[in-house]
Amino acid sequence: KQEVTQIPAALSVPEGENLVLNCSFTDSAIYNLQWFRQDPGKGLTSLLLIQSSQREQTSGRLNASLDKSSGRSTLYIAASQPGDSATYLCAAYGNQFYFGTGTSLTVIP
Amino acid sequence: EAEVAQSPRYKITEKSQAVAFWCDPISGHATLYWYRQILGQGPELLVQFQDESVVDDSQLPKDRFSAERLKGVDSTLKIQPAELGDSAMYLCASTRKSGNSPLHFGNGTRLTVT
Repeated sequence: KQEVTQIPAALSVPEGENLVLNCSFTDSAIYNLQWFRQDPGKGLTSLLLIQSSQREQTSGRLNASLDKSSGRSTLYIAASQPGDSATYLCAAYGNQFYFGTGTSLTVIP
Repeated sequence: EAEVAQSPRYKITEKSQAVAFWCDPISGHATLYWYRQILGQGPELLVQFQDESVVDDSQLPKDRFSAERLKGVDSTLKIQPAELGDSAMYLCASTRKSGNSPLHFGNGTRLTVT
């Protein structure tokens, strides 16, 4: 069974800092990897989807990379803002979506 | 932007009672998922539909949970009888086709069983 791990579980940074969130998965036979944002009490909002044939995807201040061979993906957030405070989850898709437990990000003004 | 609609947003029920959740996926999305999320954890799949057919319900506790998507559009998830351990967020999600397109979530139903 696919195991998805996100480290650290929580991260606190000052506003304006660039940061990297990590996602690792045990089975490299995936079709894609998706990053989500979840605000307290809400559903998950899709941020970026990287197909298995791609190395990275960018949207605004967000950049996600995928290295299937090493079982790793990273989400890079540039110039962090207090509004970026949320939990970030990754999901690897093989025969179904397997989710990590998320990284809770706090951006301090 | 089209959204996945879920209702109710919150539900409080006593144990042993029946409870039902409703989901309307994004128009044209053939694949619909129900997930359960416990605080501090990632969503766990309960059931997956492709159109009106169940594709995967291996993690659904079938002695008390049921799900249907009769016309291949909206879906209902039911719990009867509810137990204290069922308290969680129930999330519905949909994709245009299975897997290889973005997964879109609704805002979920927060269930509290007392």
